Amino acid sequence: KAGVTQTPRYLIKTRGQQVTLSCSPISGHRSVSWYQQTPGQGLQFLFEYFSETQRNKGNFPGRFSGRQFSNSRSEMNVSTLELGDSALYLCASSLSRAGTGEKLFFGSGTQLSVL
Amino acid sequence: QKEVEQNSGPLSVPEGAIASLNCTYSDRGSQSFFWYRQYSGKSPELIMFIYSNGDKEDGRFTAQLNKASQYVSLLIRDSQPSDSATYLCAVYNQGGKLIFGQGTELSVKP
Repeated sequence: KAGVTQTPRYLIKTRGQQVTLSCSPISGHRSVSWYQQTPGQGLQFLFEYFSETQRNKGNFPGRFSGRQFSNSRSEMNVSTLELGDSALYLCASSLSRAGTGEKLFFGSGTQLSVL
Repeated sequence: QKEVEQNSGPLSVPEGAIASLNCTYSDRGSQSFFWYRQYSGKSPELIMFIYSNGDKEDGRFTAQLNKASQYVSLLIRDSQPSDSATYLCAVYNQGGKLIFGQGTELSVKP
């Protein structure tokens, strides 16, 4: 069974630009969660999507948004990029809604650098 | 107070020893607890999960949970150099978010 697939693997952008990251969950998994990982803050929860609806959201500004499609694939968008957005963005999938004790399985991540 | 706290380490143990990693959490209503291993430059990998008080063993790994003390730990027996990694404790809070600790860096010396 294929794991969680994230594209692209690396991305370099400049301040003010926007970026879209993609995540394909494990086959049969219906929930996708997004995390930001930085050396200073560690892993921080961004949001969770289940059945094409955002079910939970972390403490990030509105520049961070996402969506989920009917095939459970998800995209995350960051607009008006800032230097502080440089991070590893990780997507994780679970069989059902996270928060119900579901185990999360992570993709390889997208390393975003903002110059 | 952080929701999930871990000693950042590094924790250094000799090969063959027992490594003990600790984690405390603040949400008394938390019910599900996980340990992830993250090698440098890689993504987190789930290695253990525990839902009930007590011990849960899987191979060389034992997870221990004490809900009254809001404490969860991971023991690695017969530690190997390949166990050298950062270990992340993760806890679901009552809001349904999986919250991660900062991680403990483990170094196993041959």
